[in-house]
Amino acid sequence: EIVLTQSPGTLSLSPGERATLSCRASQSVSSTYLAWYQQKSGQAPRLLIYGASSRATGIPDRFSGSGSGTDFTLTISRLEPEDFAVYYCQQHAEAPKTFGQGTKVEI
Amino acid sequence: QVQLVESGGGLVKPGGSLRLSCAASGFTFSDYYMSWIRQAPGKGLEWVSYISSSSTYTNYADSVKGRFTISRDNARNSLYLQINSLSAEDTAVYYCARDLRYNYGYDYWGQGTLVTVSS
Repeated sequence: EIVLTQSPGTLSLSPGERATLSCRASQSVSSTYLAWYQQKSGQAPRLLIYGASSRATGIPDRFSGSGSGTDFTLTISRLEPEDFAVYYCQQHAEAPKTFGQGTKVEI
Repeated sequence: QVQLVESGGGLVKPGGSLRLSCAASGFTFSDYYMSWIRQAPGKGLEWVSYISSSSTYTNYADSVKGRFTISRDNARNSLYLQINSLSAEDTAVYYCARDLRYNYGYDYWGQGTLVTVSS
């Protein structure tokens, strides 16, 4: 099973600041199979990034993804108030299609 | 517009069973792989199962293998999850989600249905 470890667990930032979230895989994952989601309290997750760096439909360009192999990053260039949420990475390379434990971005 | 609506959750005793349903609309259901993902209260996301567009392929998390069965009815635009031998560890919100067609990720999610296992 591929284990995804996200860091930090919590990121305390202010609106306008840059957020950098990390997702590290226990073994190499093709970037094709790495996705990022945002989840706000009481809501279903929303797809932000697929293929490690492609933004999903309707996702603002302040969200960007990068990385390869075992290290992937989600960057939010300038935090908006609506960006404070929990973010998850997920790999689709093999079953089980594991998620990271999440990073909470808080004010 | 794409919609996924889950139903069938509720309170069930340990050892009991439930059948969750996900009604899909707004897209050609038979073209897409579909998946179930769950989230225990206050916890992260856990992938549960997927099924291919024509039901040829299925796969399950080890934690549910042998107890859960995913299925679909393309004529009814519906996805199902039969969950048996429930334990407290299965208490969670269960989401159905649509897989991206030519890439990897879940682009649409339902609102979730809560399954609570308690005596």
